[in-house]
Amino acid sequence: EPEVTQTPSHQVTQMGQEVILRCVPISNHLYFYWYRQILGQKVEFLVSFYNNEISEKSEIFDDQFSVERPDGSNFTLKIRSTKLEDSAMYFCASSAGLLNTEAFFGQGTRLTVV
Amino acid sequence: GENVEQHPSTLSVQEGDSAVIKCTYSDSASNYFPWYKQELGKRPQLIIDIRSNVGEKKDQRIAVTLNKTAKHFSLHITETQPEDSAVYFCAALSGYSTLTFGKGTMLLVSP
Repeated sequence: EPEVTQTPSHQVTQMGQEVILRCVPISNHLYFYWYRQILGQKVEFLVSFYNNEISEKSEIFDDQFSVERPDGSNFTLKIRSTKLEDSAMYFCASSAGLLNTEAFFGQGTRLTVV
Repeated sequence: GENVEQHPSTLSVQEGDSAVIKCTYSDSASNYFPWYKQELGKRPQLIIDIRSNVGEKKDQRIAVTLNKTAKHFSLHITETQPEDSAVYFCAALSGYSTLTFGKGTMLLVSP
């Protein structure tokens, strides 16, 4: 069964450093998402991406965040200057269509900012 | 924006009992309501979803009901088993692609 894959599974970085989280969505999906989950809390929407541009983004997704689809398979989330409060599990997801279609989640990248 | 409230935050039941988790949403334009199960340290996985043109949907031991007028939807699990123990999240789709999640319910099923 096809699945969304994310790398790395765990990333430790120093405060102020840039990090790039990588995702390979399911191959025939057109919509891509990033979510984050702070330990013990709910899943929070960050951004959705379609046709090489951002469709929607939340208040969390400020100027420190950016997304990119650098080639036909990867989808990345960059945090320019990490803060302690960026420590969380980051989930990538993809879906086949717009509206009312299931979002499949990757296994997540645990980001720890020290 | 959309706001999703979920109750209870923790639910403990005996094996074989039923479990009910309730969610309310604020945006009347929301039209898709998935439920995700998340086991410890793992990714959220869709277990059932319902669209706004349907009032109820059932899949074996799991059912979801939607009341659009009241803006609430519920997850019902019958004949619970220990492997049902997990955190369950409800969500509502607003806009074109924004899934807003509830805070989650930790379900504990005791043998």
